[in-house]
Amino acid sequence: QQQVKQSPQSLIVQKGGISIINCAYENTAFDYFPWYQQFPGKGPALLIAIRPDVSEKKEGRFTISFNKSAKQFSLHIMDSQPGDSATYFCAALHGSGNTGKLIFGQGTTLQVKP
Amino acid sequence: NAGVTQTPKFRILKIGQSMTLQCAQDMNHNYMYWYRQDPGMGLKLIYYSVGAGITDKGEVPNGYNVSRSTTEDFPLRLELAAPSQTSVYFCASRGGREGAEAFFGQGTRLTVV
Repeated sequence: QQQVKQSPQSLIVQKGGISIINCAYENTAFDYFPWYQQFPGKGPALLIAIRPDVSEKKEGRFTISFNKSAKQFSLHIMDSQPGDSATYFCAALHGSGNTGKLIFGQGTTLQVKP
Repeated sequence: NAGVTQTPKFRILKIGQSMTLQCAQDMNHNYMYWYRQDPGMGLKLIYYSVGAGITDKGEVPNGYNVSRSTTEDFPLRLELAAPSQTSVYFCASRGGREGAEAFFGQGTRLTVV
């Protein structure tokens, strides 16, 4: 059973366009929702993260929108650039009570065309 | 700082062989994780640890074992390698404060033939 479901699996966007990746989760015990970016041959690296008591967080061209009642969150990349071409993972952390379980979605491969 | 170091980077195993994937971190992080990455399947949690001496199963623990005798090291053991364990394995560590970032190693590409 997939605890964090991510879509789409792949995405092609023109330079300057908006990239949108969606995630949904099942477990209401998750209390922290990070997004990671991975380039070929490298390990994932933290991009941006949000807590469930906030509906939106913006850092530069990257924005997370969070809908707690629907148990969904999404990543928006504004003015997408070829350098943004990478694999993106949403994740959910069960951090309270020292459980520390960090679960990832299936990943989205983004290609930004020049 | 080296961060999270995984060894080896590449390995080819024969079916039935055993091996240990090494992971070490120098950030004094409490939490450590092992994931496998397969195309289209994302990162699947194998095992994780909340501190030395404490480990717990993740989403796909079958065929693997771990130990955490020190804060720094978190080795992953494959006892009887099977072709289904062909994958890229990532180790990660995370500090104990709320919302702390997870840092990943460079990965180990394992092929079982």
